[in-house]
Amino acid sequence: DGGITQSPKYLFRKEGQNVTLSCEQNLNHDAMYWYRQDPGQGLRLIYYSQIVNDFQKGDIAEGYSVSREKKESFPLTVTSAQKNPTAFYLCASSRGQMQETQYFGPGTRLLVL
Amino acid sequence: QKEVEQDPGPLSVPEGAIVSLNCTYSNSAFQYFMWYRQYSRKGPELLMYTYSSGNKEDGRFTAQVDKSSKYISLFIRDSQPSDSATYLCALSTSGNTPLVFGKGTRLSVIA
Repeated sequence: DGGITQSPKYLFRKEGQNVTLSCEQNLNHDAMYWYRQDPGQGLRLIYYSQIVNDFQKGDIAEGYSVSREKKESFPLTVTSAQKNPTAFYLCASSRGQMQETQYFGPGTRLLVL
Repeated sequence: QKEVEQDPGPLSVPEGAIVSLNCTYSNSAFQYFMWYRQYSRKGPELLMYTYSSGNKEDGRFTAQVDKSSKYISLFIRDSQPSDSATYLCALSTSGNTPLVFGKGTRLSVIA
């Protein structure tokens, strides 16, 4: 059963703490993406990766970091430098070219304690 | 002017109504046009994908692209309560640049 999984579903962060959101896909897609969604704001691109060991900043990369060591995995770290991390985080993947259909995971809701 | 404008709603219609959802855009280089549906607290799922101008139909859904007016639409016929969701348009150029999403329109279909 192919798809994208994200974990955890809910994540709580304390002040000054780094947290990592997991994203895994078994669709054999080359490209992966991280978005942040706030109420009334639509989807904003944080980082994307078109190939293993390479990634690019999106529109709101400050306070976030990523790695792409494996084709299937694209974890996102929300660092303590991100002052307003409370949001719904969505991971997506696509076959290759950026204009191709993106398939989304179920999302992770990050809350600050 | 933002690249993609989408009325956030909320839009409330009775069951069985025809729904029209729209996005306007400013970049004439956009050539790929998509509509995603997102249920509350879930990830978006692709509904329609069109390239360049024209209409595309899939069951109760019709996507329409008017490149001359820089205007795209999604029509839902015989709307059902299960259509209640947020609908996001997404656009892309032919170059290798990321999708640009509208902010989404929240739709409620009342039984």
